[in-house]
Amino acid sequence: QLQLQESGPGLVKPSETLSLTCTVFGGTIFNFNYHWGWVRQPPGRGLEWIGSIHYSGSAYYSPSLKGRVTISVDPSKHQFSLNLGSVTAADTAIYSCARLPVTMRVPHYFDSWGQGALVTVSS
Amino acid sequence: QSALTQPRSVSGSPGQSVTISCTGTSSDVGGYNFVSWYQQYPGKAPRVIIFDVNKRPSGVPDRFSGSKSGDTASLTISGLQAEDEAEYYCCSYAGTFAFVFGEATKLTVL
Repeated sequence: QLQLQESGPGLVKPSETLSLTCTVFGGTIFNFNYHWGWVRQPPGRGLEWIGSIHYSGSAYYSPSLKGRVTISVDPSKHQFSLNLGSVTAADTAIYSCARLPVTMRVPHYFDSWGQGALVTVSS
Repeated sequence: QSALTQPRSVSGSPGQSVTISCTGTSSDVGGYNFVSWYQQYPGKAPRVIIFDVNKRPSGVPDRFSGSKSGDTASLTISGLQAEDEAEYYCCSYAGTFAFVFGEATKLTVL
């Protein structure tokens, strides 16, 4: 059974870079039929799509975060990673990784999720 | 991209039906048949209950159904049960491999 697990620092200082890794268990990232993505949820608020990546390395980002966000993939380690730069308190959230099935080359929903990792931005 | 519009809360008694609406634009909900719905319990990861407007993943009861008309999608839960009390989010593909979520709808089972 596929499982995704986020890992990384739970506390990041303002203006620094938030870095998280998602490890995929029970499956492979080497699969043309999936994208792999990140979603965040600020405390008490709704879900926000951050971005997604294909194992080929093609990445796509939310317009609201573009310029600060980079998603990379290392299929050999069954991992993909999120870097979010110049963070502020507004970036405090639970960050979750997820898998997105692809139909006709287009990812269209999130079918498996990690448990999420709380990242707090504070000095 | 603006968040999709959902009601903040809905409620119903056990056995009744409730419908949650999700309004977007022609650039997201109205433009693609890639609307999905997620159920989330406090402190837990979201779980997909509807994808591609009206398809249910295996294991999701047929009490959950989805539909779409124009720029508005809907999730209907029939035969409400206490375990359905949760937050629900809609999500739509928005072109160029992007996604937009709705704000949460809190379902209370009276």
